Amino acid sequence: DGGITQSPKYLFRKEGQNVTLSCEQNLNHDAMYWYRQDPGQGLRLIYYSQIVNDFQKGDIAEGYSVSREKKESFPLTVTSAQKNPTAFYLCASSIQQGKRGYTFGSGTRLTVV
Amino acid sequence: GEDVEQSLFLSVREGDSSVINCTYTDSSSTYLYWYKQEPGAGLQLLTYIFSNMDMKQDQRLTVLLNKKDKHLSLRIADTQTGDSAIYFCAESKTGANNLFFGTGTRLTVIP
Repeated sequence: DGGITQSPKYLFRKEGQNVTLSCEQNLNHDAMYWYRQDPGQGLRLIYYSQIVNDFQKGDIAEGYSVSREKKESFPLTVTSAQKNPTAFYLCASSIQQGKRGYTFGSGTRLTVV
Repeated sequence: GEDVEQSLFLSVREGDSSVINCTYTDSSSTYLYWYKQEPGAGLQLLTYIFSNMDMKQDQRLTVLLNKKDKHLSLRIADTQTGDSAIYFCAESKTGANNLFFGTGTRLTVIP
């Protein structure tokens, strides 16, 4: 079955450490996205990529980095520059710039202690 | 306004109808979506509507679109406890490469 997989589901890191969240899809989707979810604030776009080797900043890209070396994979690195990294992170993909809606992964809850 | 707006909370009794409302921002948005998020999970696409439609029905779900007022609603008939979740509306704005999501409405179904 096709789908989008995020790992791990829970992640704990010490303050000041970089951490990478994995996102893999086998839906043959061109576009991939990373969102951050905080209680009562909905979803905020961090980065998105429409094609391999290309990506654009979203609304809250500071303190984050991404790569898109393969169509299937879009890992997100939360760097030590991100001031408040504890959140629920959601990865999504779509056929063509979201016109058919997104398919979401199950999310990664990152806790920085 | 600049944001897609939703009420944060809604409570209904089991068996009643639920109506979740959303105000979006771009009158030329081509697609509007409703997503459901269960606790600790990702978002699941429930339904979507083209901007040239006024209504779409899918089993217990009815979507109404008022383009003049930029208002979207989701009606869930015969609401069940399994419908308890957060519901997000989203719009696809003209010229944008991503969807814009509302804050989500937490629906609580009381047995």
